[in-house]
Amino acid sequence: EPEVTQTPSHQVTQMGQEVILRCVPISNHLYFYWYRQILGQKVEFLVSFYNNEISEKSEIFDDQFSVERPDGSNFTLKIRSTKLEDSAMYFCASSEGLSAYNEQFFGPGTRLTVL
Amino acid sequence: LAKTTQPISMDSYEGQEVNITCSHNNIATNDYITWYQQFPSQGPRFIIQGYKTKVTNEVASLFIPADRKSSTLSLPRVSLSDTAVYYCLAPSMEAGTALIFGKGTTLSVSS
Repeated sequence: EPEVTQTPSHQVTQMGQEVILRCVPISNHLYFYWYRQILGQKVEFLVSFYNNEISEKSEIFDDQFSVERPDGSNFTLKIRSTKLEDSAMYFCASSEGLSAYNEQFFGPGTRLTVL
Repeated sequence: LAKTTQPISMDSYEGQEVNITCSHNNIATNDYITWYQQFPSQGPRFIIQGYKTKVTNEVASLFIPADRKSSTLSLPRVSLSDTAVYYCLAPSMEAGTALIFGKGTTLSVSS
């Protein structure tokens, strides 16, 4: 069964450093997403992406965040200058259709720890 | 966007049927009731989706009354591996790409 993969599974970084989280969406999906979940809290939407453009973003997704599809398979989330409060699980997802009505397939997540 | 309300937690024993009810009083015509499941340290996983009446798949059933102001996710004969957080969402078919998760219902299944 096709699945979304994410690397690394755990990333530890110092405050102020840049991190790039990587995702490989399901191959025939065209719509990609990033969510985050701070420990013990809700899953929060960050951004959706289609056709090399951001479709929608939340208030969390400020200028410190950026997304990119550098090639035909990878989808990345970059945090330019990490803060302590960026520590969370980051989930990538992909879907066949753009609306939230369509099933989104989530990856296993990257646990980001900012020290 | 329809607000959903569901119990914070539920306990069950193996082999029992579990019903989790979700309230969505302001659901709109184009909103679909959708349930996701999340195991610890994993991403959410789609379980089932419906618009009205009853939907059944290999994992669960979803009951939606005619007024669509609530819905019930039914898990038949749960096992220990069904211990997870279950989220009720009401995404629109036409508007928005974001899944808006609440706190969900933490289901604990014991032997």
